Amino acid sequence: DAGVIQSPRHEVTEMGQEVTLRCKPISGHDYLFWYRQTMMRGLELLIYFNNNVPIDDSGMPEDRFSAKMPNASFSTLKIQPSEPRDSAVYFCASSFSSFGNEQFFGPGTRLTVL
Amino acid sequence: EDQVTQSPEALRLQEGESSSLNCSYTVSGLRGLFWYRQDPGKGPEFLFTLYSAGEEKEKERLKATLTKKESFLHITAPKPEDSATYLCAVQAGGRGSTLGRLYFGRGTQLTVWP
Repeated sequence: DAGVIQSPRHEVTEMGQEVTLRCKPISGHDYLFWYRQTMMRGLELLIYFNNNVPIDDSGMPEDRFSAKMPNASFSTLKIQPSEPRDSAVYFCASSFSSFGNEQFFGPGTRLTVL
Repeated sequence: EDQVTQSPEALRLQEGESSSLNCSYTVSGLRGLFWYRQDPGKGPEFLFTLYSAGEEKEKERLKATLTKKESFLHITAPKPEDSATYLCAVQAGGRGSTLGRLYFGRGTQLTVWP
């Protein structure tokens, strides 16, 4: 298995532009998580899905952030409009079931908003 | 509120100098405690899951232990390639939207020099 796949690996954009991050979870995993990591706040959970349905989006910073999971093999995290304070590394992770099962992380997308 | 605290924030060891990293937690009904390793520019890599107090797991030079309030990651005779940030996360036995989510600590940055 190729593991969790994220694209792009790096994204540089200007303030106000729309940014779309993509994730392909490990086949057979029914949970998908989006995290953001910064030096100031560490690793923060933004939203997670179970069987393509959003379960908890309480970590989404504001309405500028949205996430979708149209099918079991694809998810997107969109920021519109982007702001400099959104600069961070965004990780996608997936797991099989929920209780006591480890999450497997993708390589991350490093986002820089100028 | 569920919380995870890791100490120390940073640790420098000489090659061969054994030590321990600490992860203390306050959660309602622990479902699992997870240790991850994160190298610069990469996503967290799963190491161990511990489920109940008294449990221990080993992998090469690493051994993880768990009590009712904390976990330790013991590093025996470390090598420079063990240098990384070690993250601890807990899964609580919550309900509704808290099911499945992990709460991460800020991590311990370990540097092992020759």
